[in-house]
Amino acid sequence: DQQVKQNSPSLSVQEGRISILNCDYTNSMFDYFLWYKKYPAEGPTFLISISSIKDKNEDGRFTVFLNKSAKHLSLHIVPSQPGDSAVYFCAATYSGAGSYQLTFGKGTKLSVIP
Amino acid sequence: NAGVTQTPKFRVLKTGQSMTLLCAQDMNHEYMYWYRQDPGMGLRLIHYSVGEGTTAKGEVPDGYNVSRLKKQNFLLGLESAAPSQTSVYFCASSYLQESRNQPQHFGDGTRLSIL
Repeated sequence: DQQVKQNSPSLSVQEGRISILNCDYTNSMFDYFLWYKKYPAEGPTFLISISSIKDKNEDGRFTVFLNKSAKHLSLHIVPSQPGDSAVYFCAATYSGAGSYQLTFGKGTKLSVIP
Repeated sequence: NAGVTQTPKFRVLKTGQSMTLLCAQDMNHEYMYWYRQDPGMGLRLIHYSVGEGTTAKGEVPDGYNVSRLKKQNFLLGLESAAPSQTSVYFCASSYLQESRNQPQHFGDGTRLSIL
């Protein structure tokens, strides 16, 4: 049973517009969420995170929104740039995980068109 | 600063052969992890370590063994490789959980093909 779901395998956006990547989770124990970005032939790199005590976290062009009641989070990129083209993974964890284990979604491939 | 380094980057094995993947980190992280990523799938945790000399099973541990003899190194072993183990393997490391805002840092992966 997939606990973290990214239902859109791919997304295409024009340069300068907003990119919205979505993530749903089923495990109500999750209390910390992260987004990772991955370029081909490289490892994932941390992008932004949010704790369940917040509903929004912002870092430059990247904003993550958390809706706990809907078990849904989203990553907004404004404005989108061609260098943002990558695969984005949503990940989640909870305090009881003990070792900070992450559960990942399958990823969404973002293509930003110049 | 190298961060997390994985060796080798590519490898082709025959079914039944054994090999060891090496992960080294220079950030003095306590926690280390091994993941595999398959096409259309997210990263799945194989094994992890919360400190030198300790290891534990993750989501998909079967067919793999690990060792953490030194804090900076985490080895992943395949004793008898199977085609189902064809994958891209990622190593990661992080600080103790008390530093919850410290994310996992990943290496660039090892692409392993089992024929």
